[in-house]
Amino acid sequence: EDQVTQSPEALRLQEGESSSLNCSYTVSGLRGLFWYRQDPGKGPEFLFTLYSAGEEKEKERLKATLTKKESFLHITAPKPEDSATYLCAVQSQGGSEKLVFGKGTKLTVNP
Amino acid sequence: ETGVTQSPTHLIKTRGQQVTLRCSSQSGHNTVSWYQQALGQGPQFIFQYYREEENGRGNFPPRFSGLQFPNYSSELNVNALELDDSALYLCASSREREGSPLHFGNGTRLTVT
Repeated sequence: EDQVTQSPEALRLQEGESSSLNCSYTVSGLRGLFWYRQDPGKGPEFLFTLYSAGEEKEKERLKATLTKKESFLHITAPKPEDSATYLCAVQSQGGSEKLVFGKGTKLTVNP
Repeated sequence: ETGVTQSPTHLIKTRGQQVTLRCSSQSGHNTVSWYQQALGQGPQFIFQYYREEENGRGNFPPRFSGLQFPNYSSELNVNALELDDSALYLCASSREREGSPLHFGNGTRLTVT
C-alpha cells in the first residue's frame, strides 16, 4: 500500500529564515510526486510535479527535489505570505489514478 | 480560464439524511476526482470519473456514489449520512487521465449532526 509521511507536522520560522520540509514515501512504482499548498478554508493549490529521482523544480522562493525515497520542499528567505499547509502526494503506476496524500506540514512565517 | 467550482460551500445535515454535492470542472479538463479531507488530515481519494465512467475508487462504502455529465461537471452523492462523514469534500479536475496535476476547488464543508 502506498504511504506518504511528512515532517515536521508544524514549523515556525522567522521571516528570512530558510528551511526544508520533508516528504518520505513508499510506492509501488512512482508515476509522479506532487506538492500542493493549502490555505485555511481553501482547496489545495498545485505547486510542482516531480517524476524521477534527481529532478528539481523551482518557483519563486520554493524549490522541490526528489530522491527514490523522499522529496524536499526548500523554502528560501520565506515571507509571512508563505504561511500555509504544504501537502505532498504520490501517484503510483499500475492503473489507479488516485493521489495518496500525507497529512501536511503547517508552516508559519512570523514577520 | 475558469477554475474548479463547487457548490454549496457549506452544508449542515442530520444523521441518516442524503446529500448531493456539485462540481464544475476547469475548462478543458475531462477527468474529475473527489476527495474527503477530515480536519488536520490530508485529502483521501473517494473516486475518479473519466468519460462519464468510474475509473478508480478508494476505501469508501457504496453509499458514496457519483456521476459525471457530458459537460464534465460532476456530482457526489452520500446516502445514510453518519457523523464521521463530517469533512471538507474536494473536487479536482485534470486534463488527462495519467500524470497530470489535479486542480482543486475550494470544497464543500459538510457537517453532520
